[in-house]
Amino acid sequence: EIVMTQSPDTLSVSPGERATLSCRASQSLGSNLAWYQQKPGQAPRLLMYAASIRATGLPARFSGSGSGTQFTLTIDSLQSEDFAVYYCQYYSDWPPEVTFGGGTKVEIK
Amino acid sequence: QVQLQESGPGLVKPSETLSLTCKVSDVSLHTNSFYWGWIRQPPGKRLEWVVSMYYSGSTYYNPALKSRVTMSVDTAKFQFSLTLTSVTAEDTGVYFCVRGERGQQVISVFEHWGQGSLVLVSS
Repeated sequence: EIVMTQSPDTLSVSPGERATLSCRASQSLGSNLAWYQQKPGQAPRLLMYAASIRATGLPARFSGSGSGTQFTLTIDSLQSEDFAVYYCQYYSDWPPEVTFGGGTKVEIK
Repeated sequence: QVQLQESGPGLVKPSETLSLTCKVSDVSLHTNSFYWGWIRQPPGKRLEWVVSMYYSGSTYYNPALKSRVTMSVDTAKFQFSLTLTSVTAEDTGVYFCVRGERGQQVISVFEHWGQGSLVLVSS
């Protein structure tokens, strides 16, 4: 079973600054990694897939990188609407399995 | 724009069966281009994939829940359903119905989500 670990648990950032979120896997994932944003009381929103491909309509200030066991989501020039919880998600080639990380909360500093 | 809406009882007694339905708008379920499914989120915990299914009937389960989960699709009613048997307090949480688009992997990401349905397992 692949275990996904996100760090830090909470990230305090001032508006306009950069946020860097990490996701580590217990085994190599290749590039089968997605990122989601979840705001209180809302469903998650897909941000990124295949580690670095932005979902339709996602602003360019969001970028993803990494492969294997270490992945990063970077948010440049944080906007007020970016303060939320972010989850990484692994998806396997075969058999189909999906695993989420524990989340990183990005809060206003 | 695809819309998904969950419905079902908010309270289920331990050992009983949890049943939820997801109504789909503005899209047909009669296609293997998409997979449908359920993801849950216990209070204060991480998201947990439960099950995903194609119209053809191919169904993929979280191994930890497989023995208790059934998913079905009703194309005529534009809805799909989840049943989870023998529930315990550990099954309490928000249940989201979701849709993903078939790509290189059979199941990958989830582009569309319902707003979520809170289910409490308690006597």
